[in-house]
Amino acid sequence: GAVVSQHPSRVICKSGTSVKIECRSLDFQATTMFWYRQFPKKSLMLMATSNEGSKATYEQGVEKDKFLINHASLTLSTLTVTSAHPEDSSFYICSAGKGGNTGELFFGEGSRLTVL
Amino acid sequence: EDQVTQSPEALRLQEGESSSLNCSYTVSGLRGLFWYRQDPGKGPEFLFTLYSAGEEKEKERLKATLTKKESFLHITAPKPEDSATYLCAVQARSGYNKLIFGAGTRLAVHP
Repeated sequence: GAVVSQHPSRVICKSGTSVKIECRSLDFQATTMFWYRQFPKKSLMLMATSNEGSKATYEQGVEKDKFLINHASLTLSTLTVTSAHPEDSSFYICSAGKGGNTGELFFGEGSRLTVL
Repeated sequence: EDQVTQSPEALRLQEGESSSLNCSYTVSGLRGLFWYRQDPGKGPEFLFTLYSAGEEKEKERLKATLTKKESFLHITAPKPEDSATYLCAVQARSGYNKLIFGAGTRLAVHP
């Protein structure tokens, strides 16, 4: 099946620093990728939709200046958490679809961010 | 507003004890309903997509069904390796492939 890869899988940073997470579709091109955030024992909350070659679409309540999304190519989207704070500590997961009519999305393995 | 509610929140089964997980949904024009399995610290793993009421899909010990208001994930004779969180998500026709997830059911199967 299709593979979506995230990097890094785990990252620890100090408060005030910025962290970049990469999401790659390895065997298909994705014009749209999605970024989710998941708290312990909670479900996935959609943060934003990343569109190749244009601005990302953010969900209500998500700060676009805090969570910078760049979709520079058809196989790569990045999420940068700027000026990170401990409350940004979470599990971030990206997904991408092959397009077409099925709407099926494939998920990355997730990135665990811990802000000290 | 599109919404997904899963029940129960947690389920403990003995190995071989069959059961069902429920996913109730409201969506403005269903494009598809998805079931995923998620292991701790991992991303969701795709299981099934259902598109219309009456549709059923099976994979090993799992069977997913769909009505106009809800979906069931039936687990027959579960094994400990079936222990995971099962997530249900809906996709609206107007949602640009966006998935709205339920909170999930944490399943624990004990030998």
